Amino acid sequence: AQSVTQLGSHVSVSEGALVLLRCNYSSSVPPYLFWYVQYPNQGLQLLLKYTTGATLVKGINGFEAEFKKSETSFHLTKPSAHMSDAAEYFCAVSDLGAGSYQLTFGKGTKLSVIP
Amino acid sequence: GAVVSQHPSRVICKSGTSVKIECRSLDFQATTMFWYRQFPKKSLMLMATSNEGSKATYEQGVEKDKFLINHASLTLSTLTVTSAHPEDSSFYICSASGLAGSGEQYFGPGTRLTVT
Repeated sequence: AQSVTQLGSHVSVSEGALVLLRCNYSSSVPPYLFWYVQYPNQGLQLLLKYTTGATLVKGINGFEAEFKKSETSFHLTKPSAHMSDAAEYFCAVSDLGAGSYQLTFGKGTKLSVIP
Repeated sequence: GAVVSQHPSRVICKSGTSVKIECRSLDFQATTMFWYRQFPKKSLMLMATSNEGSKATYEQGVEKDKFLINHASLTLSTLTVTSAHPEDSSFYICSASGLAGSGEQYFGPGTRLTVT
């Protein structure tokens, strides 16, 4: 069984400050890991994903995440927060390695950016 | 590429009526589609997984007779909420996968259902 834990349901940062959203996972197979962003009353947009290969993954809007197997983590970072980054962020794990596209989501972290 | 649409984006219906939500993959063939429900300030709860041409697989606790899912073609899946009640009010999101090897689901914009 897979699970995803996102530490902190709400994170506030100042505009221009570092953004760090934490995600830890458990998986019985090599995981595929995703970060999605959701703006109010909208669906989910993929920020980035890790499947295989390079453990540092770069995504859209300046976000990146690093897969650390030893720590079972996939934290999302952005060097400098922008007001437009304020949204809900979801980390997810897929057991595609076992042949399924099904995603397991974390509970989400709401990011607020303070001017 | 990989665009998924949902229709309608918002719907208000009276208690006891049924409402159908459509999910379409616009530029790829979706072998698998997923339906999620999202409560306010909560994560996405997977309701069911459907593969084209076969019956949907429902998650534990999801009523099959209440949430009817049809995946008749590789580009269309529908969710019908039958005999809707106010507690069915929620944000319903579909996603589609099928691009070989991508391991990725592409999400629709969601449908806000309000049952009065």
